[in-house]
Amino acid sequence: IAGITQAPTSQILAAGRRMTLRCTQDMRHNAMYWYRQDLGLGLRLIHYSNTAGTTGKGEVPDGYSVSRANTDDFPLTLASAVPSQTSVYFCASSRTGGDTGELFFGEGSRLTVL
Amino acid sequence: GQNIDQPTEMTATEGAIVQINCTYQTSGFNGLFWYQQHAGEAPTFLSYNVLDGLEEKGRFSSFLSRSKGYSYLLLKELQMKDSASYLCAVRDSNYQLIWGAGTKLIIKP
Repeated sequence: IAGITQAPTSQILAAGRRMTLRCTQDMRHNAMYWYRQDLGLGLRLIHYSNTAGTTGKGEVPDGYSVSRANTDDFPLTLASAVPSQTSVYFCASSRTGGDTGELFFGEGSRLTVL
Repeated sequence: GQNIDQPTEMTATEGAIVQINCTYQTSGFNGLFWYQQHAGEAPTFLSYNVLDGLEEKGRFSSFLSRSKGYSYLLLKELQMKDSASYLCAVRDSNYQLIWGAGTKLIIKP
């Protein structure tokens, strides 16, 4: 079934540890995004990539990094996790960059930093 | 600053009609989206409006007034499975999506 796969679905992490959330899509979409979702707040964009080999910063990029080595994969790395990064993280994709169309979301990764 | 406002929570009865409002103040406008998100799941696309007026898609309709910075999502013949959060998002002049916090819709029998 075509779509976006995220891993892990849930993780508890000690503060200061490094963590990579994985995201893979098989729809050959050019654009990919990482959002975090916190209670009472709208989805907030962390980083995005309009095409393989390029990345950009979103609204809340501090403490996070991404890479886009190929079309399918868009991992998000927390270099040194802090409790404020406790959140649900969603990876998404769309056919073209610039948010010109419908977003397709992965099932989310629930991260707890203690 | 940019802002999307929607009610936090609404309650409606199975079989009835409910209207979820969204008002926005953004730097430019390049379309408005509605997404549905069931608890613990990913958001899924419902509708897209870029011109004024009503877009109908089955039991769901979405309305836009750009001059008023206003949209609503209308859900008819409510079913229990419609219990979910409904997210309003506006694409600004930089083609970035600005998201509202979502409206949690509770359907009662």
